[in-house]
Amino acid sequence: DAKTTQPTSMDCAEGRAANLPCNHSTISGNEYVYWYRQIHSQGPQYIIHGLKNNETNEMASLIITEDRKSSTLILPHATLRDTAVYYCIVRVSPRYNNNDMRFGAGTRLTVKP
Amino acid sequence: SQTIHQWPATLVQPVGSPLSLECTVEGTSNPNLYWYRQAAGRGLQLLFYSVGIGQISSEVPQNLSASRPQDRQFILSSKKLLLSDSGFYLCAWRRDANYEQYFGPGTRLTVT
Repeated sequence: DAKTTQPTSMDCAEGRAANLPCNHSTISGNEYVYWYRQIHSQGPQYIIHGLKNNETNEMASLIITEDRKSSTLILPHATLRDTAVYYCIVRVSPRYNNNDMRFGAGTRLTVKP
Repeated sequence: SQTIHQWPATLVQPVGSPLSLECTVEGTSNPNLYWYRQAAGRGLQLLFYSVGIGQISSEVPQNLSASRPQDRQFILSSKKLLLSDSGFYLCAWRRDANYEQYFGPGTRLTVT
């Protein structure tokens, strides 16, 4: 199973872009990169996912390197409400018959005024 | 639209007592269902998942069990709680393996 490495914590100024990195050097060709976030005492919230191409939605952008060994989640204009733990997840291989998601420790992003 | 419910929101139980947490999903059929546990300050640990009624897969050996008596109902149980069972329990659903997962609001369990 491909594993991910994320910084333990990051700070970002309100209104600035937050760039959250994730390394997944053992990712295989059919595995997607997913991003979730968890605001304190709430369930995780889906943000975005991608395979090879960069993706953008109303919440964030996902930049995946050409070799797919790393990615960056970008929150273009961070607000105080974006303070949360952000999880980068690579979908487990089909041998589990479920492709469930394994959540690591994530990156604790603190947006400061 | 789809909605996922969990109850109770919080629970305080003594060691050795039984446990039953319920999760239901609305607005979809035959979802994949999941139970996770999150200890304080830690990441999520997958406990059980189910791809259909009566089909339960366990990820970790423990004193917890899960059941899926109906298509959109997932229950987490224990006959005798341990102190180490304290944590934030999250239920999640997914349409199938190719879609993102959606989480419920969680149940905060404190075993005393």
